[in-house]
Amino acid sequence: ILNVEQSPQSLHVQEGDSTNFTCSFPSSNFYALHWYRWETAKSPEALFVMTLNGDEKKKGRISATLNTKEGYSYLYIKGSQPEDSATYLCAFLYNTDKLIFGTGTRLQVFP
Amino acid sequence: DSGVTQTPKHLITATGQRVTLRCSPRSGDLSVYWYQQSLDQGLQFLIQYYNGEERAKGNILERFSAQQFPDLHSELNLSSLELGDSALYFCASSAGPQIGKTQYFGPGTRLLVL
Repeated sequence: ILNVEQSPQSLHVQEGDSTNFTCSFPSSNFYALHWYRWETAKSPEALFVMTLNGDEKKKGRISATLNTKEGYSYLYIKGSQPEDSATYLCAFLYNTDKLIFGTGTRLQVFP
Repeated sequence: DSGVTQTPKHLITATGQRVTLRCSPRSGDLSVYWYQQSLDQGLQFLIQYYNGEERAKGNILERFSAQQFPDLHSELNLSSLELGDSALYFCASSAGPQIGKTQYFGPGTRLLVL
């Protein structure tokens, strides 16, 4: 059974704090890793698709790194803002066609 | 707005009934994916279509079926509904099945089976 694990499950930080979460995935048969941001009552919004070991992607204050050999990816948010409050999902692309999602890290940023 | 549309937004029905959920992909996208989000579960991949053909299957029950039409919209049919089928059903689309293609999610259909 393929398992994609995310930690922590939830995180509460103060506005201005920087934070990071982890996504662990199988290190064999790697094709791609996706990160999504999911706000309550909305649909998941794509952040990054990462395909190469050592990949680093950045979008504003959010960045991600990828280590396919050891099977993990980190998502970093620099200077968290209340509008960053959401669930952050990672998904492992299995067999080129199926995305296996983790259960997410729920981030709450307090002003 | 991702450009993916889903109808209806909400659906309430009874056990044993059959419903159809509809998805229109982003303009130009050939791949459509269906996902189920139940209480306390992560997003579960159900099925994928590419240009009208079934391409991959996930944890889709035999009571569920889907198709993609020539105009690329897709329908997910759920029959003999049970209470446990109550969930949020998402459709996503991408330009193709190639590795590295972003999947864009629709707003979802919330199904409640009473």
